[in-house]
Amino acid sequence: NAGVTQTPKFQVLKTGQSMTLQCAQDMNHEYMSWYRQDPGMGLRLIHYSVGAGITDQGEVPNGYNVSRSTTEDFPLRLLSAAPSQTSVYFCASSQGVHNEQFFGPGTRLTVL
Amino acid sequence: SQQGEEDPQALSIQEGENATMNCSYKTSINNLQWYRQNSGRGLVHLILIRSNEREKHSGRLRVTLDTSKKSSSLLITASRAADTASYFCATDENTGFQKLVFGTGTRLLVSP
Repeated sequence: NAGVTQTPKFQVLKTGQSMTLQCAQDMNHEYMSWYRQDPGMGLRLIHYSVGAGITDQGEVPNGYNVSRSTTEDFPLRLLSAAPSQTSVYFCASSQGVHNEQFFGPGTRLTVL
Repeated sequence: SQQGEEDPQALSIQEGENATMNCSYKTSINNLQWYRQNSGRGLVHLILIRSNEREKHSGRLRVTLDTSKKSSSLLITASRAADTASYFCATDENTGFQKLVFGTGTRLLVSP
């Protein structure tokens, strides 16, 4: 099993550009989530999904969109990148929020 | 908002010593989880303790939970240089929302 995979590993964007961060898991997990990690801030939840077709907002959803058309994939879209979105983004999956989360390796995003 | 707050923010010890990290939180929880993050990598689940449990062990790890004080501690015994990492607590809030809330982490440095 590959576990949780994320692409790309690194990305540089210009302000105003859009892009999609990909996340996939092969463990048949229902629960998936996106976090951003900034220095001294820990991990903050952006969006999460409890199953295909069901998504909800986390702590810091503004500027990001998600969709969940399949159990395996949970892409995160940046609509119009801003320097404040420079961060490391982690995707995670689990059997449910009450269980251990499996994290991907992260995507390091820089917005100029 | 951050639910868990770890203390201390940074800890430096020698190999063989014990390391204790504390986590405080604000609301009622279903469970509390501890994760480890090596520099530049994703988070790895260490241990989960449910709200009706007071203590849990896993190898050299010991976790306690005091729901009356809304606090938890992670003890790493006989530390090794390989334990050098950041450690995060995460709370599964008992609010009906399906989300984990992470603290800001403790950076542990174990010197040979």
